[in-house]
Amino acid sequence: EAGVTQFPSHSVIEKGQTVTLRCDPISGHDNLYWYRRVMGKEIKFLLHFVKESKQDESGMPNNRFLAERTGGTYSTLKVQPAELEDSGVYFCASSPGNSNQPQHFGDGTRLSIL
Amino acid sequence: SQQGEEDPQALSIQEGENATMNCSYKTSINNLQWYRQNSGRGLVHLILIRSNEREKHSGRLRVTLDTSKKSSSLLITASRAADTASYFCATDRAGANNLFFGTGTRLTVIP
Repeated sequence: EAGVTQFPSHSVIEKGQTVTLRCDPISGHDNLYWYRRVMGKEIKFLLHFVKESKQDESGMPNNRFLAERTGGTYSTLKVQPAELEDSGVYFCASSPGNSNQPQHFGDGTRLSIL
Repeated sequence: SQQGEEDPQALSIQEGENATMNCSYKTSINNLQWYRQNSGRGLVHLILIRSNEREKHSGRLRVTLDTSKKSSSLLITASRAADTASYFCATDRAGANNLFFGTGTRLTVIP
């Protein structure tokens, strides 16, 4: 089966611009997660979708970040306007609906804000 | 950190030796998972151990969990150069599905 795919793999934008990251989870996985790793820090949770609903968005840094999962398939994470501290690697993960299952991660999107 | 701390931060060994990495966490958990990350790639799931389990094996991997000490260890036996990567432990709290990661251990296996 195809794994979790993320697009783009790299993005370089200027401060104040908008960027949209996309994640395609493994087909049939109800759970979709976004995580972020800022340079030198640990990987941190951003939010969790169950199908198209936001189950937990407690990790979203601020209202410049907007995540959607229309139709319960792929998800997008938009940053608008981007700030310097948003630079990092954004990971997406998915897992089946039942609990105690591992999360499968994509290769991440490396976002650089200049 | 939010939840986990790995120890050591970096480990360098010769091929064929065993590598042991430790992880400590702070709150009650459902499961603890270990992941590997090769440079520039995503996280690859290695093994999941439930809170009611004490030890688990998968190939050359052995994971232990001590919930009384809130700690886990990952042992890689007979290491290979291809094992060179960063290793992370991740926990999920009771009632939540999201994972809390440590900062990882960077393992270098010298051929």
